[in-house]
Amino acid sequence: DAKTTQPTSMDCAEGRAANLPCNHSTISGNEYVYWYRQIHSQGPQYIIHGLKNNETNEMASLIITEDRKSSTLILPHATLRDTAVYYCIVRAPIYSGGGADGLTFGKGTHLIIQP
Amino acid sequence: DSGVTQTPKHLITATGQRVTLRCSPRSGDLSVYWYQQSLDQGLQFLIQYYNGEERAKGNILERFSAQQFPDLHSELNLSSLELGDSALYFCASSVAAAALNTGELFFGEGSRLTVL
Repeated sequence: DAKTTQPTSMDCAEGRAANLPCNHSTISGNEYVYWYRQIHSQGPQYIIHGLKNNETNEMASLIITEDRKSSTLILPHATLRDTAVYYCIVRAPIYSGGGADGLTFGKGTHLIIQP
Repeated sequence: DSGVTQTPKHLITATGQRVTLRCSPRSGDLSVYWYQQSLDQGLQFLIQYYNGEERAKGNILERFSAQQFPDLHSELNLSSLELGDSALYFCASSVAAAALNTGELFFGEGSRLTVL
């Protein structure tokens, strides 16, 4: 799986958009970008994933650059409950030979939403 | 609620002892994954089972073992416990059909193990 680089921590004011960057310059053509988050001591929670196109769901938007070497997770209106560690993960889907192992989590970005 | 159930939520034991952690995956999910999260190591993948068979191994110690039963629940056995085994142990499951498995895992709330 391609390696990802994320800032260690970020602050964002409540009510503003939180933009979390992720670099994945060695990403392969069949590898997806996944985002998970972990609120303190809870189980990680899936947020969103994408391959090439930008994606949006009820939680967030994922913007992937045209060369796919980086992406940004956007939380449009951050609340205090969005304070968490956010993990960017890159891997190929299992059905296309992406391996049978679980997702590999790095250090992530500790996002702190300020009131 | 992810639909993944883990028991016990908290466990305190002594060095040298053995414990068993239990996980019930989401209804219909065939894959179960175990992760360990300690303060200094982050989330470490331990092992995966798919429909009763071991599918992949990560950083799992020889003192640890796991299995998945016919009803698809899984157990993680930790033996000869050491102080360093104190951690949160998470179980995750994924959707049943391999063709749909793009890597979305559903995590339980974890079992916190404290070894004294």
